[in-house]
Amino acid sequence: SQQGEEDPQALSIQEGENATMNCSYKTSINNLQWYRQNSGRGLVHLILIRSNEREKHSGRLRVTLDTSKKSSSLLITASRAADTASYFCATDDIAQGGSEKLVFGKGTKLTVNP
Amino acid sequence: DGGITQSPKYLFRKEGQNVTLSCEQNLNHDAMYWYRQDPGQGLRLIYYSQIVNDFQKGDIAEGYSVSREKKESFPLTVTSAQKNPTAFYLCASSIRSGWNEQFFGPGTRLTVL
Repeated sequence: SQQGEEDPQALSIQEGENATMNCSYKTSINNLQWYRQNSGRGLVHLILIRSNEREKHSGRLRVTLDTSKKSSSLLITASRAADTASYFCATDDIAQGGSEKLVFGKGTKLTVNP
Repeated sequence: DGGITQSPKYLFRKEGQNVTLSCEQNLNHDAMYWYRQDPGQGLRLIYYSQIVNDFQKGDIAEGYSVSREKKESFPLTVTSAQKNPTAFYLCASSIRSGWNEQFFGPGTRLTVL
């Protein structure tokens, strides 16, 4: 079953603008991750945030986690054309036995126009 | 140069034929995973293996089979029982089961004609 659901499904912005993507999930988690996928390629891990953390930064990326609302957001600041990709959130699933496997959402397709 | 390799990148097969997708990693990771991705969709877990000679079914295992005879290799066979096999297949690995960051291969796009 799908755990994470990203919103919006697609996002188009101009270079230099900020991009915000959201992820909602249904059950308790140990952590939440964000991955990036360029068209026709494998996924690349961006950032992991644990359930006891509220915010995490990595370069131009900022991730927040609100466990009370079961939601997370990924902010990409000062976007570049090279940020054009699909972004997925992934959670472990405590209900299904913990961290052995990840459950991915359907992704947000980000287009950054030069 | 460490990483995960998948071959081939594109694969075409006739309906009714079994086909095996290769996945190799030299990261010394214990856990390996196979996912299926359909257009505009997220990843769905087919099979995963926490350690050599052991594997478990994921959410959509029907019509697929795997083996894990070596730590570095986790081949996936798409059998004729899989009703809609055309998809993008991704292999991933992680240091160990429960270590959540997964490293992905470049994927194999399978088209059944």
